[in-house]
Amino acid sequence: EDKVVQSPLSLVVHEGDTVTLNCSYEVTNFRSLLWYKQEKKAPTFLFMLTSSGIEKKSGRLSSILDKKELFSILNITATQTGDSAVYLCAVDAGFLGGTSYGKLTFGQGTILTVHP
Amino acid sequence: DGGITQSPKYLFRKEGQNVTLSCEQNLNHDAMYWYRQDPGQGLRLIYYSQIVNDFQKGDIAEGYSVSREKKESFPLTVTSAQKNPTAFYLCASRQQGAGVYEQYFGPGTRLTVT
Repeated sequence: EDKVVQSPLSLVVHEGDTVTLNCSYEVTNFRSLLWYKQEKKAPTFLFMLTSSGIEKKSGRLSSILDKKELFSILNITATQTGDSAVYLCAVDAGFLGGTSYGKLTFGQGTILTVHP
Repeated sequence: DGGITQSPKYLFRKEGQNVTLSCEQNLNHDAMYWYRQDPGQGLRLIYYSQIVNDFQKGDIAEGYSVSREKKESFPLTVTSAQKNPTAFYLCASRQQGAGVYEQYFGPGTRLTVT
């Protein structure tokens, strides 16, 4: 059974702090790992990682994948109150004949709270 | 604007009633998905569809049914057989093909059954 575990489950920081969110996985047929941000409703896409060791970056957010050790981290630098959200990690691990089904297995999420 | 719409935003039903949640997308995506989210848990896959008139069970399909008669639409019916239907339901879609593509999510429907 595919499994994705995120840690910590919740995190409280102050504006300006740097945070690191962790995601480990045990899946067969790994295709990609995705990070989403969820603020009360629809998750919004942050990053997709397919190759080990290549950092994806967008502003203050960055993420990297280690396919050998089966984990990914999401870093947020200089946090702001607007970063408060649930951060979801998901792995796409189902495919047949080279085409992915897009069956995502999600972790439990990390609840990030940023205080002013 | 392209996107995914789900309706209604909130839904209240009595136990024993079937209820259908709507999901429509105008992104021209072939693949569509239904997830359920409970407090303190991640999203769990209910059903997915790669193409019109075809769909597969996800990890927690018991008590749910779907149809895919049109590319744009993927309604989910929560039947009375679902033992614990109160949850937040999210619909998603994505491109289909040999590459890797992200899923786009709708705003969700919060279902409460009493």
